[in-house]
Amino acid sequence: AIQLTQSPSSLSASVGDRVTITCRASQGISSALAWYQQKPGKAPKFLIYDASSLESGVPSRFSGSGSGTDFTLTISSLQPEDFATYYCQQFNSYPLTFGGGTKVEIK
Amino acid sequence: EVQLVESGGGLVQPGGSLRLSCAASGFTFSSNAMSWVRQTPGKGLEWVSAISGSGGSTYYADSVKGRFTISRDNSKNTLYLQMNSLRAEDTAVYYCAKDRGYSGYVPKDYWGQGALVTVSS
Repeated sequence: AIQLTQSPSSLSASVGDRVTITCRASQGISSALAWYQQKPGKAPKFLIYDASSLESGVPSRFSGSGSGTDFTLTISSLQPEDFATYYCQQFNSYPLTFGGGTKVEIK
Repeated sequence: EVQLVESGGGLVQPGGSLRLSCAASGFTFSSNAMSWVRQTPGKGLEWVSAISGSGGSTYYADSVKGRFTISRDNSKNTLYLQMNSLRAEDTAVYYCAKDRGYSGYVPKDYWGQGALVTVSS
């Protein structure tokens, strides 16, 4: 199974900061990567597909990049509502796998 | 508006069985693969199983293979997960998720609110 390693596992940042989360795959997955946001007690919300394509309705401050094994999720200007845990997920091959998550806390 | 509503969760003893259902609306159900994803309380997400739009292809995580069966009834717009030989480590919130395409090699663009399954004596 393809393993996804996210870093950092948690971070604390101020409103307006630029935040970058990384996701590394144990083998190449082309651009078959998605990002999700999950708030406490809620279901995950779909943000980005194909590594860099923004889902409709998602604020443009979110962006994704990368291909192969190394990927990033960037929030260009952190907002209070962005407090959440972020997960990457690969859909290149079964079994599908998720990263361990990155918890973003607002300073 | 896409809606996914899970039901069937609850408390079950180790070795027991449970069937989860997911009623879907707001999209052409048979045109999309569907998945089950679970989350242990306080922990991360684990993909459990997926099924193609026709139901002809199914996929399972190694941790549930041979014990869980995914199925769908396209006439009822409903997804199912039959869980047998349940173990304590199967305790989790189970999410039904709509795949973004037909085949299953796609991300999940809508998720249900989740159903809690607790396996305990």
